[in-house]
Amino acid sequence: DQQVKQNSPSLSVQEGRISILNCDYTNSMFDYFLWYKKYPAEGPTFLISISSIKDKNEDGRFTVFLNKSAKHLSLHIVPSQPGDSAVYFCAASGQAGTALIFGKGTTLSVSS
Amino acid sequence: GAVVSQHPSWVICKSGTSVKIECRSLDFQATTMFWYRQFPKQSLMLMATSNEGSKATYEQGVEKDKFLINHASLTLSTLTVTSAHPEDSSFYICSARRGGWETQYFGPGTRLLVL
Repeated sequence: DQQVKQNSPSLSVQEGRISILNCDYTNSMFDYFLWYKKYPAEGPTFLISISSIKDKNEDGRFTVFLNKSAKHLSLHIVPSQPGDSAVYFCAASGQAGTALIFGKGTTLSVSS
Repeated sequence: GAVVSQHPSWVICKSGTSVKIECRSLDFQATTMFWYRQFPKQSLMLMATSNEGSKATYEQGVEKDKFLINHASLTLSTLTVTSAHPEDSSFYICSARRGGWETQYFGPGTRLLVL
């Protein structure tokens, strides 16, 4: 049973436009969420996180939105750049010290 | 920043041999380290959680006698794949966290190919 779901395996966006990556979760005990970016044959790189006490966190071009009632979060990248092309993983954890549960990832392709 | 290294970055071994993978936190002390495995086009699957000085906690379905984890210090954890078989071929990634709510930082991964 997948507790963290990224239902879109891929997304294609033009340079300069907004990229919106979605993530749903089923475990209401999750209260810390992160987005990671990953290139092939490399470890994930941390992008941005949000705790359940917030509904939005922004860092430069990256903004994460959390809708707890819908158990849904999204990552917005604006403006999108070709260098953003990678696999994006959504991850969640339940409490301090516990491991992350990852979604299957969404491959983002940004064309120039 | 928080840097995590893994060694080796890739390894090819014969079936039946053992392989040790090291995970080091280079500029911080990691109270907790995690080991993940990733199959092609799949998500990262948590294998085990290790806290310095104590036994690792393995996820369901992960054989602890096959995947030996040692977290001997606050900067080093090792994963030993014992009696490796071709089905153990995968991409192994570690992560480290200072503690509590801190973000996990990942190593670059180790690609294992068992012939």
